[in-house]
Amino acid sequence: AQSVSQHNHHVILSEAASLELGCNYSYGGTVNLFWYVQYPGQHLQLLLKYFSGDPLVKGIKGFEAEFIKSKFSFNLRKPSVQWSDTAEYFCAVKGYSTLTFGKGTMLLVSP
Amino acid sequence: DAMVIQNPRYQVTQFGKPVTLSCSQTLNHNVMYWYQQKSSQAPKLLFHYYDKDFNNEADTPDNFQSRRPNTSFCFLDIRSPGLGDAAMYLCATSRGEGGARETQYFGPGTRLLVL
Repeated sequence: AQSVSQHNHHVILSEAASLELGCNYSYGGTVNLFWYVQYPGQHLQLLLKYFSGDPLVKGIKGFEAEFIKSKFSFNLRKPSVQWSDTAEYFCAVKGYSTLTFGKGTMLLVSP
Repeated sequence: DAMVIQNPRYQVTQFGKPVTLSCSQTLNHNVMYWYQQKSSQAPKLLFHYYDKDFNNEADTPDNFQSRRPNTSFCFLDIRSPGLGDAAMYLCATSRGEGGARETQYFGPGTRLLVL
C-alpha cells in the first residue's frame, strides 16, 4: 500500500524567508507525485506534479519540488515566501489508481 | 470557467437523518471522486465513478452511498449520519485517460455538521 508522510504539521515563517516542506512516500512501483495547496476558504489546487524526467519540477507561484528517488522524497521549496502563501499544503502520491494524501502542513507567513 | 461545483458549502443535519451532498462539473471528465477529510487529517478516498462504473474503497462504510445519474453530476448519500461523519467532503474529477498520470481537480468541498 502507498503512504505519504509530511514531516511538519505547522510551519511559521516571516515574509522573505525560505521554505522547505518535507514529504516522504512509500510505494513499490512507479510513482507520480503531487503537491496541492489549499488557501483559506478555497478548494484544493494543484501546485505542481512530477511524472518522469527532470526531477526538479517547477510549479505555480514560484514553488518547486525535487524528486529524490533514493530518499523516497518530494520536498517542496520556495526561496522567498509571501504573506499570501499562507495556506495548507498537501503532498500526494499516485500509484496505478488511488491518490493518497499526506496529512498536510499548515504554513503561516507573518508580514 | 470550467470547474467542479459543490453545493451547499455547509450542510447541517441531525443524527440519523439521511443527507445528500451534490457535486457537478463542467469539465466533461470521465471520473468523479468523493473524499472525506476530517479535521487535521488527509483527504481519504471514499469511492469513485469511472463513467458509470462504481468503485468503492474497501474501508468505506456501508452508510455511504453514491449516485451518478449523468456525466456532470455525482451525489454522496449518507443514510444515517453519525457524529463521527462530521467532516469536509470533497468532490474531484479527472479525465480518465491518463492512468497513473491523472491529475485530479477538486471542488470547494461541503462541510457537514451532524447535530
